[in-house]
Amino acid sequence: QSALTQPASVSGSPGQSITISCTGTSSDIGGYNYVSWYQQHPGKAPKLMIYDVSNRPSGVSNRFSGSKSGNTASLTISGLQTEDEADYYCSSYTSSSTLFGGGTKLTVL
Amino acid sequence: EVQLVESGGGLVQPGRSLRLSCAASGFIFDDYAMHWVRQAPGKGLEWVSGIGWNSGDIGYADSVKGRFTISRDNARNSLYLQMNSLRVEDTALYYCAKDMMVAPINPGDSWGQGTLVTVSS
Repeated sequence: QSALTQPASVSGSPGQSITISCTGTSSDIGGYNYVSWYQQHPGKAPKLMIYDVSNRPSGVSNRFSGSKSGNTASLTISGLQTEDEADYYCSSYTSSSTLFGGGTKLTVL
Repeated sequence: EVQLVESGGGLVQPGRSLRLSCAASGFIFDDYAMHWVRQAPGKGLEWVSGIGWNSGDIGYADSVKGRFTISRDNARNSLYLQMNSLRVEDTALYYCAKDMMVAPINPGDSWGQGTLVTVSS
């Protein structure tokens, strides 16, 4: 069970768009359409932003979108806002278990 | 409103045991799978274990397999994690999380605030 691979950090300016990648294998991301993305602000519990690759829970801004190609999933945030600054984690189902990515720190400059 | 409230954390010596609980409310508990996810201080999220709606599907991370046991009591709307043979590296904030499916796929749309487990001599 190796963690999914995410970049350690990304940054962008308000109004811009950024994409965070999450790379796995054919046994996890590539094998199932069960990728989720979470936002975590310091000292807070994670918040679900995307589930099943590209679905947004009720109440999540449509500035957040998800996609997948092969063994790599991506989270795109458009129209960056200062409140988007947080840690972001991907997760994927993989045959009776779940894997998380190492997390990506998003800085809004 | 969905609420998940964890309890049972604390300071424990290496090799000892601890049992975490998660009290759920605001949704039909036995319609959903549940998960435990932990976060060591200053580190990322680590999935620990998941359990299906009727306890038929259960999974564990390799790091805890054979030492931790997940269970649920649907009559009490409660989720548990029995942690035995605790190690220093099990020190973390343990979150209870609701899935959006009946089988344990991914932690979903509701998380508790966590209970802190510190393993130290």
